[in-house]
Amino acid sequence: GENVEQHPSTLSVQEGDSAVIKCTYSDSASNYFPWYKQELGKGPQLIIDIRSNVGEKKDQRIAVTLNKTAKHFSLHITETQPEDSAVYFCAATAYSGAGSYQLTFGKGTKLSVIP
Amino acid sequence: KAGVTQTPRYLIKTRGQQVTLSCSPISGHRSVSWYQQTPGQGLQFLFEYFSETQRNKGNFPGRFSGRQFSNSRSEMNVSTLELGDSALYLCASSPGTMNEKLFFGSGTQLSVL
Repeated sequence: GENVEQHPSTLSVQEGDSAVIKCTYSDSASNYFPWYKQELGKGPQLIIDIRSNVGEKKDQRIAVTLNKTAKHFSLHITETQPEDSAVYFCAATAYSGAGSYQLTFGKGTKLSVIP
Repeated sequence: KAGVTQTPRYLIKTRGQQVTLSCSPISGHRSVSWYQQTPGQGLQFLFEYFSETQRNKGNFPGRFSGRQFSNSRSEMNVSTLELGDSALYLCASSPGTMNEKLFFGSGTQLSVL
């Protein structure tokens, strides 16, 4: 099955600096890569996603890049703000048979933005 | 549109008991997935239902089961609870058939004493 590794597990940045979180996946058939943000006491929320036929996608201060050859993808947050403090999860989706697509998550990165 | 609703929000049970958790997906979403979240293991996939059929199952013992009703609402059941079952159980619904763009509920925090 798919295995998703995520680094670092914790990350502290000064407000206004950039933050980068990296993930690698094992299944070359994976074709959809979402990123989720989880705030304390809440469920994860989708913040950006990318498909395997796209190398980069940007949405305001966040961007995701994908390198299919190396099987890794990254989340970039620029001009960080205190409200960006949360746990971020990467994930990879691959077809698992019988019409089902299974999503495998990384173990998460706790981002702290220091004012 | 209302979000994904999970009930109850908190549960305290003792070893050996059983528990049923409930999830109401976003209106129109037919796919419902369940995840177990623990500090050490992150988000672990339990199972996925689509149109009342279990399409996929994670690597959990048979004590964990679920079902989906015709209105897409879903329940999961854990029998013979163990201490290690203490976790946040998250339900997610998605609008399509490819398990993309999941919308998560706030979860049910289960504590087994």
